[in-house]
Amino acid sequence: GAGVSQSPRYKVAKRGQDVALRCDPISGHVSLFWYQQALGQGPEFLTYFQNEAQLDKSGLPSDRFFAERPEGSVSTLKIQRTQQEDSAVYLCASSLVGQGLTEAFFGQGTRLTVV
Amino acid sequence: DQQVKQNSPSLSVQEGRISILNCDYTNSMFDYFLWYKKYPAEGPTFLISISSIKDKNEDGRFTVFLNKSAKHLSLHIVPSQPGDSAVYFCAARSSNNNDMRFGAGTRLTVKP
Repeated sequence: GAGVSQSPRYKVAKRGQDVALRCDPISGHVSLFWYQQALGQGPEFLTYFQNEAQLDKSGLPSDRFFAERPEGSVSTLKIQRTQQEDSAVYLCASSLVGQGLTEAFFGQGTRLTVV
Repeated sequence: DQQVKQNSPSLSVQEGRISILNCDYTNSMFDYFLWYKKYPAEGPTFLISISSIKDKNEDGRFTVFLNKSAKHLSLHIVPSQPGDSAVYFCAARSSNNNDMRFGAGTRLTVKP
């Protein structure tokens, strides 16, 4: 498709389980963002990639969170040993860069519930 | 640290009237500002943006105003329609690092 695609849409994990969330950005988009959105809150920045380079990971809440984008396209956000406080919607966005600042386009998100 | 703030969690207006959503920011490095609209169970959808070299950008019923000295921007919707009912997020970016930060959102309800 032409938009940002995230999978799975919904994920239920038992506490302590590892999860992997996938993001397929819009083709040709250089910048990729991951956000965490708790219920009733705005998206909170997690990490940012420019191509395969992770330029900012200051928003990752703990070392249990890890993101990669090895070929500069698809990205995976991995959460190890999930905790209940990890329950949130995880949003991925992509945007063009190098042509001036432009808007970022979001996927529908992955709703993670840790039980 | 909350670099982008939307202090009104909700706003209710009558159909046909003006909706004004406000946003404040603290980081003077931000030079590009965006408004996103979000419906339940969907990702945020881009609505309108403004560069820091401008103080106004208009697109149909939507106008964004930027006051750099006050580090304040606002989104005006005129006339408001029931289909505008959604959560609106303000976001800010810096060309210095291409980061993007969001406010907590304002839930707009337009009553028929």
